[in-house]
Amino acid sequence: GQSLEQPSEVTAVEGAIVQINCTYQTSGFYGLSWYQQHDGGAPTFLSYNALDGLEETGRFSSFLSRSDSYGYLLLQELQMKDSASYFCAVRDNAGNMLTFGGGTRLMVKP
Amino acid sequence: DTAVSQTPKYLVTQMGNDKSIKCEQNLGHDTMYWYKQDSKKFLKIMFSYNNKELIINETVPNRFSPKSPDKAHLNLHINSLELGDSAVYFCASSTTRGGAHGELFFGEGSRLTVL
Repeated sequence: GQSLEQPSEVTAVEGAIVQINCTYQTSGFYGLSWYQQHDGGAPTFLSYNALDGLEETGRFSSFLSRSDSYGYLLLQELQMKDSASYFCAVRDNAGNMLTFGGGTRLMVKP
Repeated sequence: DTAVSQTPKYLVTQMGNDKSIKCEQNLGHDTMYWYKQDSKKFLKIMFSYNNKELIINETVPNRFSPKSPDKAHLNLHINSLELGDSAVYFCASSTTRGGAHGELFFGEGSRLTVL
């Protein structure tokens, strides 16, 4: 089976940098995805890492270490609109589905 | 143009009733999913269909019956609703199984409240 661990809540101030960690245990591994979900909204895709290293997309970056079964999402120049829940997700061994972590609620304060 | 649309957005019903949620995607994707998000925001997969064929059934009670009349539609019928079925149900789609590059496209969700 799959299990993913991420912090339940993180608080940061506007303009700061925040890192949301995710560790996973899977029977197989294709890649690690990150999703953002605002309250009352749908999860939306942010990034995907299949190989070790850092992927950068604007203010957001995602990192993966396959040997450590670990990844993180880095959010820079935080804005109030970044307040949301962030989910990591792994694509399973057969590649048929995404299993999500419990989500990290990010609160950005002025 | 909504890529993945679900109806209804809100559903309030009594225990024991039967209800359906419909989902349609206009992205031309082959794979569709139903996820359940509980009050603690945990997102759990329920079913996945690929080209109308069921490929994932994650030990969901058989009161839940998905139906995919074609690859653009995936509906969810729930019989004999229970209090624990209260949740937000998300439909999603992807180009391939598991999402090419881990990317799923989600609908806006259907909030089901069972009284």
